[in-house]
Amino acid sequence: EAQVTQNPRYLITVTGKKLTVTCSQNMNHEYMSWYRQDPGLGLRQIYYSMNVEVTDKGDVPEGYKVSRKEKRNFPLILESPSPNQTSLYFCASSLSGRQEAFFGQGTRLTVV
Amino acid sequence: AQKVTQAQTEISVVEKEDVTLDCVYETRDTTYYLFWYKQPPSGELVFLIRRNSFDEQNEISGRYSWNFQKSTSSFNFTITASQVVDSAVYFCALSESGAGSYQLTFGKGTKLSVIP
Repeated sequence: EAQVTQNPRYLITVTGKKLTVTCSQNMNHEYMSWYRQDPGLGLRQIYYSMNVEVTDKGDVPEGYKVSRKEKRNFPLILESPSPNQTSLYFCASSLSGRQEAFFGQGTRLTVV
Repeated sequence: AQKVTQAQTEISVVEKEDVTLDCVYETRDTTYYLFWYKQPPSGELVFLIRRNSFDEQNEISGRYSWNFQKSTSSFNFTITASQVVDSAVYFCALSESGAGSYQLTFGKGTKLSVIP
């Protein structure tokens, strides 16, 4: 089954404790991206990748890191999480920027 | 910079009513792509439709229809004879995807409640 898989689905952590949210897709897509969803703000792009070892900032990259060492994986790293990073995070993949994005199930992160 | 505006934050309709969700976009590119996604209460994001900037044909899929008008930079979504299962947040999105970049911009969403 074609899918984008994020882990974990739910995470509560403390301020400053590094964490990684994993994202994997099995559709051989070139493009992958991360979004955060906040009430009243919709989805905002954090980082995107157009291919292995090619990543770039989206609209709200501060406080986040990403890497794309393999085509299928695109982890999101929070080196020192802060409470303002409490949000619902989505990973997505697509064949190209012209095609629809397929989204993971979402990761609800709470930073206390 | 590209922008997507969904002016309707929340809409409530009674079952079987028709409802139109508005989407207005801004872009400097001549080539761009528009999308609609549905987010039901369970939280996942479901792709509904994609339209490129050169294709202004309206599209109908069952009870769903989309009206793309470049002249007014709008890509509106109509649900005919709404059902309770249509209750969700609906997002309009725009991709410019120029050479060397990929930006998918979402509107803030419209929450649709269909009352039985």
